[in-house]
Amino acid sequence: EPEVTQTPSHQVTQMGQEVILRCVPISNHLYFYWYRQILGQKVEFLVSFYNNEISEKSEIFDDQFSVERPDGSNFTLKIRSTKLEDSAMYFCASRPGQGFATFGSGTRLTVV
Amino acid sequence: RKEVEQDPGPFNVPEGATVAFNCTYSNSASQSFFWYRQDCRKEPKLLMSVYSSGNEDGRFTAQLNRASQYISLLIRDSKLSDSATYLCVVNVVITGGGNKLTFGTGTQLKVEL
Repeated sequence: EPEVTQTPSHQVTQMGQEVILRCVPISNHLYFYWYRQILGQKVEFLVSFYNNEISEKSEIFDDQFSVERPDGSNFTLKIRSTKLEDSAMYFCASRPGQGFATFGSGTRLTVV
Repeated sequence: RKEVEQDPGPFNVPEGATVAFNCTYSNSASQSFFWYRQDCRKEPKLLMSVYSSGNEDGRFTAQLNRASQYISLLIRDSKLSDSATYLCVVNVVITGGGNKLTFGTGTQLKVEL
């Protein structure tokens, strides 16, 4: 069964450092997403990406965040200067033209 | 009003019980609807899509009422392995062709012996 792959599974970083979270969506999927989930809280939308550009972003997705799909397979989320409150599980997802989204197993980001 | 609203629970039920979860959504332009299941510290996984005519998959039945902007999930003969958080997910198509999946807070289910 095709799956969305995320690396690393766990990232520890110092406050103020830049991190890049990596995702390989399912090939031939058209829509790509990043979500985050702070421990014990709901899954929150960050950004959706379609046709090589951001189609929607939430107010969480401020100037510290950026996404790229550099080579047609990887989909990355960059956080430029991490803050303590960025500590969360970050999920990548992809979706074909119709139907449901498949999620990766997530990257647990811990900012210290 | 929240975009997608669910009762957070927890629902504690005995094994074999029938349990129902409800979800309401605020955007009348929402186009597709899903129930996902999330186990502790894991990713959300699709349980079932929700169709206007209602649909069933084994012990699980999903219903959609577009007029009331309401979605439900019924679990019959609940098993210990059904213990998880159930997420109501709504998809809205965005101008320009993209789309956005919005999650409810999730309803926690605990099935007990």
